[in-house]
Amino acid sequence: GAGVSQSPSNKVTEKGKDVELRCDPISGHTALYWYRQSLGQGLEFLIYFQGNSAPDKSGLPSDRFSAERTGGSVSTLTIQRTQQEDSAVYLCASSLVSGLGGYTFGSGTRLTVV
Amino acid sequence: SQQGEEDPQALSIQEGENATMNCSYKTSINNLQWYRQNSGRGLVHLILIRSNEREKHSGRLRVTLDTSKKSSSLLITASRAADTASYFCATDAGDDKIIFGKGTRLHILP
Repeated sequence: GAGVSQSPSNKVTEKGKDVELRCDPISGHTALYWYRQSLGQGLEFLIYFQGNSAPDKSGLPSDRFSAERTGGSVSTLTIQRTQQEDSAVYLCASSLVSGLGGYTFGSGTRLTVV
Repeated sequence: SQQGEEDPQALSIQEGENATMNCSYKTSINNLQWYRQNSGRGLVHLILIRSNEREKHSGRLRVTLDTSKKSSSLLITASRAADTASYFCATDAGDDKIIFGKGTRLHILP
């Protein structure tokens, strides 16, 4: 597609439920990133995928968070047993080649855990 | 962990004035990038400056980089109402991910 697409744009879930957030990167972009942004804060790195290499999961805050990228394209971020502190905007970005240029961001998914 | 730190945290200026935002970082970098964010959603890439560059221009934007001081500045000249946004610096240390600062909230007054 023309840009990075994220769905849903907003998600309200009850504490303890699992949620799945989807990211559809720009076609041909080999690098895909997930970030989390709490209200009024900067972006917190979560996970990075590059081609067929093993993902860099160093930013995932707990084992309740996981992500996969199928076929080198669409990625899904899953949060199990959601907690109120998981409430944030989850942003996905992709780039053509890691380290050589800017990222293109999606509009994010605003997750609210009640 | 936070790598870049923007200064000031918030800035209000009159339309037409120049806005300067600063970014300091801690470790060696391959490049530094500036992004704009409107309404707390997706970020837009503005400009990238490599570690061997000292200054870069793009339209009304001017970015400088001083690797000896581990700092960068973003200058927006002749500001407009549409420039109201949050601005983030992000550093690429060559480990395949960029780390963002907390941002500067810029408000352009009419």
